[in-house]
Amino acid sequence: EAQVTQNPRYLITVTGKKLTVTCSQNMNHEYMSWYRQDPGLGLRQIYYSMNVEVTDKGDVPEGYKVSRKEKRNFPLILESPSPNQTSLYFCASSLGEGQVGPLEAFFGQGTRLTVV
Amino acid sequence: AQSVTQLDSQVPVFEEAPVELRCNYSSSVSVYLFWYVQYPNQGLQLLLKYLSGSTLVKGINGFEAEFNKSQTSFHLRKPSVHISDTAEYFCAVSESHSSASKIIFGSGTRLSIRP
Repeated sequence: EAQVTQNPRYLITVTGKKLTVTCSQNMNHEYMSWYRQDPGLGLRQIYYSMNVEVTDKGDVPEGYKVSRKEKRNFPLILESPSPNQTSLYFCASSLGEGQVGPLEAFFGQGTRLTVV
Repeated sequence: AQSVTQLDSQVPVFEEAPVELRCNYSSSVSVYLFWYVQYPNQGLQLLLKYLSGSTLVKGINGFEAEFNKSQTSFHLRKPSVHISDTAEYFCAVSESHSSASKIIFGSGTRLSIRP
């Protein structure tokens, strides 16, 4: 079954304690991205990756890091979380340039992060 | 730069009534258009998409949308809603030359169905 898997689904942490949210996809997609969802603001892109070892900032990258060492994995790293990063996070994947298949993004189930 | 505007943040309707969720976009090039649905405590799933061809697109669960290039709109409609349609709906756009790799989302419309 084609899917994007995020872990954990729920996380409560304290300010300043480094954390990683994992994301994995099994569709051989080249393009992966992270979004945060906040009430009234829709989904805002944090970082994206066009392929292995190719990452770039989205619209709200401050306070986040990512890596893309393998095609299937795209972890989101918060080196020093702060309360304003409390949000619902989604990982998504889709085809890259030149890949053939359905042209839409596939989403994980989300990670609800609370930073106290 | 492309952008998406969903004009209504909340839309309450009675069960079995028709509904229209509005979406307008701006882009200087041709686009792909999407509607996603997010049920409570779940991720987003694709409802329907417009890539090219017929401007009337049918999706899952009885939803359809019409692409109107002159009005830069992609409104979502359903002739008769059910309680199970209660969810948040997101319109999204991607410039077609980028293979839908960068998708911009609207702020969402929360559809609430009253019995």
